[in-house]
Amino acid sequence: QKEVEQNSGPLSVPEGAIASLNCTYSDRGSQSFFWYRQYSGKSPELIMFIYSNGDKEDGRFTAQLNKASQYVSLLIRDSQPSDSATYLCAVNLGGATNKLIFGTGTLLAVQP
Amino acid sequence: DTEVTQTPKHLVMGMTNKKSLKCEQHMGHRAMYWYKQKAKKPPELMFVYSYEKLSINESVPSRFSPECPNSSLLNLHLHALQPEDSALYLCASSQESRNLGGETQYFGPGTRLLVL
Repeated sequence: QKEVEQNSGPLSVPEGAIASLNCTYSDRGSQSFFWYRQYSGKSPELIMFIYSNGDKEDGRFTAQLNKASQYVSLLIRDSQPSDSATYLCAVNLGGATNKLIFGTGTLLAVQP
Repeated sequence: DTEVTQTPKHLVMGMTNKKSLKCEQHMGHRAMYWYKQKAKKPPELMFVYSYEKLSINESVPSRFSPECPNSSLLNLHLHALQPEDSALYLCASSQESRNLGGETQYFGPGTRLLVL
Protein backbone atom coordinates (compact mmCIF):
# COMPACT_ATOMS: atom_id res chain seq x y z
CA GLN A 1 0.00 0.00 0.00
CA LYS A 2 1.55 3.26 -1.11
CA GLU A 3 1.20 5.85 1.64
CA VAL A 4 1.63 9.53 2.25
CA GLU A 5 1.75 10.63 5.86
CA GLN A 6 1.22 14.01 7.45
CA ASN A 7 0.72 15.14 11.01
CA SER A 8 -2.96 16.06 11.23
CA GLY A 9 -2.28 18.95 13.62
CA PRO A 10 -3.56 21.43 14.40
CA LEU A 11 -0.28 23.25 13.96
CA SER A 12 -0.62 26.59 15.68
CA VAL A 13 1.80 29.42 14.88
CA PRO A 14 1.71 33.13 15.71
CA GLU A 15 1.21 35.67 12.96
CA GLY A 16 4.51 36.54 11.27
CA ALA A 17 6.21 33.26 12.20
CA ILE A 18 7.39 30.49 9.89
CA ALA A 19 5.04 27.53 9.58
CA SER A 20 6.70 24.23 8.74
CA LEU A 21 4.56 21.44 7.29
CA ASN A 22 5.98 17.98 6.75
CA CYS A 23 5.11 14.97 4.66
CA THR A 24 6.68 11.53 4.19
CA TYR A 25 5.92 9.03 1.48
CA SER A 26 6.52 5.32 1.12
CA ASP A 27 7.06 4.76 -2.61
CA ARG A 28 10.64 5.42 -3.71
CA GLY A 29 9.46 5.55 -7.32
CA SER A 30 7.40 8.69 -6.69
CA GLN A 31 8.28 11.38 -9.17
CA SER A 32 6.46 14.58 -8.37
CA PHE A 33 5.09 16.15 -5.25
CA PHE A 34 2.37 18.69 -4.69
CA TRP A 35 1.12 20.94 -1.94
CA TYR A 36 -2.53 21.97 -1.97
CA ARG A 37 -4.27 24.35 0.40
CA GLN A 38 -7.88 23.70 1.31
CA TYR A 39 -10.03 26.14 3.20
CA SER A 40 -12.96 24.69 5.11
CA GLY A 41 -15.81 23.90 2.75
CA LYS A 42 -13.76 24.76 -0.35
CA SER A 43 -11.83 22.72 -2.91
CA PRO A 44 -8.07 22.11 -2.91
CA GLU A 45 -6.01 24.92 -4.42
CA LEU A 46 -2.55 24.20 -5.81
CA ILE A 47 0.24 26.02 -4.00
CA MET A 48 3.35 24.40 -5.45
CA PHE A 49 4.79 21.34 -7.07
CA ILE A 50 8.34 20.07 -6.84
CA TYR A 51 10.16 17.19 -8.47
CA SER A 52 13.86 17.85 -7.95
CA ASN A 53 15.77 17.46 -4.72
CA GLY A 54 16.33 20.75 -2.96
CA ASP A 55 14.28 23.86 -2.44
CA LYS A 56 11.76 25.63 -4.63
CA GLU A 57 10.56 29.08 -3.64
CA ASP A 58 7.44 30.97 -4.67
CA GLY A 59 6.75 34.13 -2.74
CA ARG A 60 6.28 33.28 0.94
CA PHE A 61 6.21 29.56 0.19
CA THR A 62 9.19 27.20 -0.05
CA ALA A 63 8.86 23.53 -0.88
CA GLN A 64 11.71 21.23 0.08
CA LEU A 65 12.27 17.73 -1.30
CA ASN A 66 14.63 15.04 -0.10
CA LYS A 67 14.11 11.87 -2.11
CA ALA A 68 16.72 9.89 -0.18
CA SER A 69 14.77 10.47 3.02
CA GLN A 70 11.39 10.29 1.21
CA TYR A 71 10.45 13.59 2.75
CA VAL A 72 8.83 16.74 1.41
CA SER A 73 8.04 19.87 3.35
CA LEU A 74 6.38 23.25 2.91
CA LEU A 75 7.58 26.37 4.69
CA ILE A 76 5.34 29.41 4.93
CA ARG A 77 7.19 32.57 5.88
CA ASP A 78 5.51 35.55 7.54
CA SER A 79 2.41 33.46 8.26
CA GLN A 80 -0.89 35.32 8.08
CA PRO A 81 -4.28 34.46 9.59
CA SER A 82 -5.47 33.99 5.99
CA ASP A 83 -3.03 31.06 5.70
CA SER A 84 -5.16 29.14 8.23
CA ALA A 85 -6.34 26.10 6.28
CA THR A 86 -5.67 22.41 5.77
CA TYR A 87 -2.55 21.71 3.74
CA LEU A 88 -2.62 18.54 1.68
CA CYS A 89 0.53 16.83 0.50
CA ALA A 90 0.07 14.76 -2.66
CA VAL A 91 2.46 12.43 -4.40
CA ASN A 92 2.34 11.35 -8.04
CA LEU A 93 3.56 7.82 -8.45
CA GLY A 94 4.47 8.34 -12.09
CA GLY A 95 4.31 5.54 -14.61
CA ALA A 96 1.36 5.00 -16.92
CA THR A 97 -1.23 6.58 -14.67
CA ASN A 98 -1.36 10.10 -13.36
CA LYS A 99 -2.58 9.05 -9.95
CA LEU A 100 -2.17 11.28 -6.91
CA ILE A 101 -1.91 9.82 -3.44
CA PHE A 102 -2.98 12.35 -0.82
CA GLY A 103 -1.90 12.63 2.76
CA THR A 104 -4.58 13.24 5.36
CA GLY A 105 -3.66 16.92 5.57
CA THR A 106 -2.30 19.20 8.28
CA LEU A 107 -4.56 21.83 9.78
CA LEU A 108 -2.66 25.09 10.19
CA ALA A 109 -3.96 27.77 12.54
CA VAL A 110 -2.21 31.15 12.43
CA GLN A 111 -2.95 33.14 15.57
CA PRO A 112 -3.27 36.94 15.17
CA ASP B 1 -6.09 30.49 -16.69
CA THR B 2 -6.42 27.38 -14.52
CA GLU B 3 -10.18 27.32 -14.12
CA VAL B 4 -12.27 24.22 -13.78
CA THR B 5 -15.98 24.85 -13.34
CA GLN B 6 -18.54 22.55 -11.77
CA THR B 7 -22.31 22.63 -11.60
CA PRO B 8 -24.37 22.56 -9.54
CA LYS B 9 -22.66 23.95 -6.42
CA HIS B 10 -25.10 22.13 -4.15
CA LEU B 11 -27.40 19.19 -4.76
CA VAL B 12 -29.95 17.47 -2.56
CA MET B 13 -31.41 14.26 -3.86
CA GLY B 14 -33.47 11.34 -2.68
CA MET B 15 -32.31 7.77 -2.91
CA THR B 16 -34.56 7.12 -5.91
CA ASN B 17 -33.56 10.18 -7.89
CA LYS B 18 -31.33 10.41 -10.95
CA LYS B 19 -29.11 13.45 -11.21
CA SER B 20 -25.92 14.50 -12.96
CA LEU B 21 -22.87 16.51 -11.95
CA LYS B 22 -21.09 18.51 -14.63
CA CYS B 23 -17.51 19.64 -14.98
CA GLU B 24 -15.92 21.81 -17.66
CA GLN B 25 -12.43 23.06 -18.43
CA HIS B 26 -11.06 25.11 -21.31
CA MET B 27 -7.36 24.76 -20.62
CA GLY B 28 -6.80 22.16 -23.32
CA HIS B 29 -6.23 19.52 -20.68
CA ARG B 30 -6.67 15.96 -21.89
CA ALA B 31 -7.02 14.21 -18.53
CA MET B 32 -10.00 14.71 -16.22
CA TYR B 33 -10.76 13.25 -12.83
CA TRP B 34 -13.59 12.71 -10.37
CA TYR B 35 -12.84 12.67 -6.66
CA LYS B 36 -15.04 12.20 -3.62
CA GLN B 37 -14.17 13.95 -0.38
CA LYS B 38 -15.78 13.35 2.99
CA ALA B 39 -15.40 15.81 5.86
CA LYS B 40 -11.92 15.97 7.35
CA LYS B 41 -10.61 13.38 4.87
CA PRO B 42 -8.42 13.79 1.79
CA PRO B 43 -9.91 13.50 -1.69
CA GLU B 44 -10.42 9.93 -2.89
CA LEU B 45 -9.97 9.23 -6.57
CA MET B 46 -13.00 7.74 -8.30
CA PHE B 47 -12.39 7.92 -12.07
CA VAL B 48 -9.78 9.13 -14.53
CA TYR B 49 -10.40 9.95 -18.18
CA SER B 50 -7.48 10.29 -20.53
CA TYR B 51 -8.12 11.53 -24.07
CA GLU B 52 -11.85 11.00 -23.44
CA LYS B 53 -11.38 7.34 -22.56
CA LEU B 54 -11.90 5.91 -19.10
CA SER B 55 -8.44 4.88 -17.87
CA ILE B 56 -9.02 4.35 -14.14
CA ASN B 57 -12.08 3.20 -12.22
CA GLU B 58 -11.21 2.85 -8.55
CA SER B 59 -13.82 0.10 -7.99
CA VAL B 60 -16.58 2.67 -7.70
CA PRO B 61 -20.14 1.31 -7.27
CA SER B 62 -22.20 1.27 -10.46
CA ARG B 63 -24.63 3.83 -9.04
CA PHE B 64 -21.96 6.33 -10.11
CA SER B 65 -21.57 6.47 -13.89
CA PRO B 66 -18.99 8.77 -15.48
CA GLU B 67 -19.17 10.15 -18.99
CA CYS B 68 -16.76 12.24 -21.02
CA PRO B 69 -18.66 13.67 -24.04
CA ASN B 70 -15.63 15.62 -25.28
CA SER B 71 -12.23 16.78 -24.12
CA SER B 72 -13.65 19.76 -22.21
CA LEU B 73 -16.59 18.12 -20.44
CA LEU B 74 -16.94 15.49 -17.77
CA ASN B 75 -20.19 14.28 -16.26
CA LEU B 76 -20.98 12.07 -13.31
CA HIS B 77 -24.40 10.45 -13.46
CA LEU B 78 -25.92 9.50 -10.12
CA HIS B 79 -28.67 6.94 -9.57
CA ALA B 80 -30.04 5.22 -6.48
CA LEU B 81 -27.47 6.77 -4.17
CA GLN B 82 -27.22 6.05 -0.48
CA PRO B 83 -27.01 8.57 2.37
CA GLU B 84 -23.35 7.59 2.88
CA ASP B 85 -22.64 8.93 -0.62
CA SER B 86 -23.17 12.45 0.72
CA ALA B 87 -19.87 14.24 0.19
CA LEU B 88 -18.06 16.94 -1.75
CA TYR B 89 -17.51 15.77 -5.33
CA LEU B 90 -14.50 17.31 -6.95
CA CYS B 91 -13.53 17.43 -10.59
CA ALA B 92 -9.92 18.03 -11.63
CA SER B 93 -8.04 18.26 -14.89
CA SER B 94 -4.43 18.08 -16.05
CA GLN B 95 -2.40 18.06 -19.20
CA GLU B 96 -1.81 14.51 -20.34
CA SER B 97 1.90 14.88 -20.35
CA ARG B 98 4.83 12.86 -19.19
CA ASN B 99 6.80 16.06 -18.67
CA LEU B 100 7.26 16.57 -14.94
CA GLY B 101 4.86 19.25 -13.82
CA GLY B 102 2.59 18.64 -16.80
CA GLU B 103 0.60 16.23 -14.73
CA THR B 104 -0.37 18.91 -12.21
CA GLN B 105 -4.04 18.58 -11.34
CA TYR B 106 -6.27 21.63 -10.96
CA PHE B 107 -9.47 21.25 -9.01
CA GLY B 108 -12.87 22.75 -9.59
CA PRO B 109 -14.91 24.23 -6.73
CA GLY B 110 -16.82 21.01 -6.16
CA THR B 111 -20.44 19.97 -5.82
CA ARG B 112 -21.68 19.41 -2.31
CA LEU B 113 -24.09 16.48 -2.47
CA LEU B 114 -26.60 15.51 0.19
CA VAL B 115 -28.50 12.26 -0.22
CA LEU B 116 -31.64 11.96 1.89
